[in-house]
Amino acid sequence: TQLLEQSPQFLSIQEGENLTVYCNSSSVFSSLQWYRQEPGEGPVLLVTVVTGGEVKKLKRLTFQFGDARKDSSLHITAAQPGDTGLYLCAGATSGTYKYIFGTGTRLKVLA
Amino acid sequence: DVKVTQSSRYLVKRTGEKVFLECVQDMDHENMFWYRQDPGLGLRLIYFSYDVKMKEKGDIPEGYSVSREKKERFSLILESASTNQTSMYLCASSKTYGYTFGSGTRLTVV
Repeated sequence: TQLLEQSPQFLSIQEGENLTVYCNSSSVFSSLQWYRQEPGEGPVLLVTVVTGGEVKKLKRLTFQFGDARKDSSLHITAAQPGDTGLYLCAGATSGTYKYIFGTGTRLKVLA
Repeated sequence: DVKVTQSSRYLVKRTGEKVFLECVQDMDHENMFWYRQDPGLGLRLIYFSYDVKMKEKGDIPEGYSVSREKKERFSLILESASTNQTSMYLCASSKTYGYTFGSGTRLTVV
């Protein structure tokens, strides 16, 4: 079974701080996604990366796909309380749209 | 606004009952998925479907079955509910990359 490990599992920071969340696997993925989930809701897609080394930005969020397509990172600049939530990475291997999910990083940003 | 709709937000069922979880999407997506989400275990794939009347087992299909008679509807069936099936169930659909999830059904089996 493929595994996606996320670190850290929990993160509590003050508003304005920067943070990075990591997603690692021994498997090679054809695409990798990041989602944010708020309590009582389903995950919402933030970004999809498909090319090794690819960097995508979404306002204060920067996503990077590793060169070997086995890992990814999410960096948040100047975190705000609205960034609070569960961040999930998910990877799919070649030829499939079936995604394996990491266990998530629960972020709390304190005002 | 496109969406995936799950029929119930909360359900409480008794052990041994047959339980139906319904999911409908209005985006004409070919692919539909059922996951369950448990603390510390993340999202685990139960079943998925790439087309009408087609289904494939995911990582944890035991105790579950599915039905996809129409493109927009994907049903998850718990044949005989057990307490270890208490969980949050999430339905998702996609055309290619990127899932759209429903809001989830929190099922409690007592």
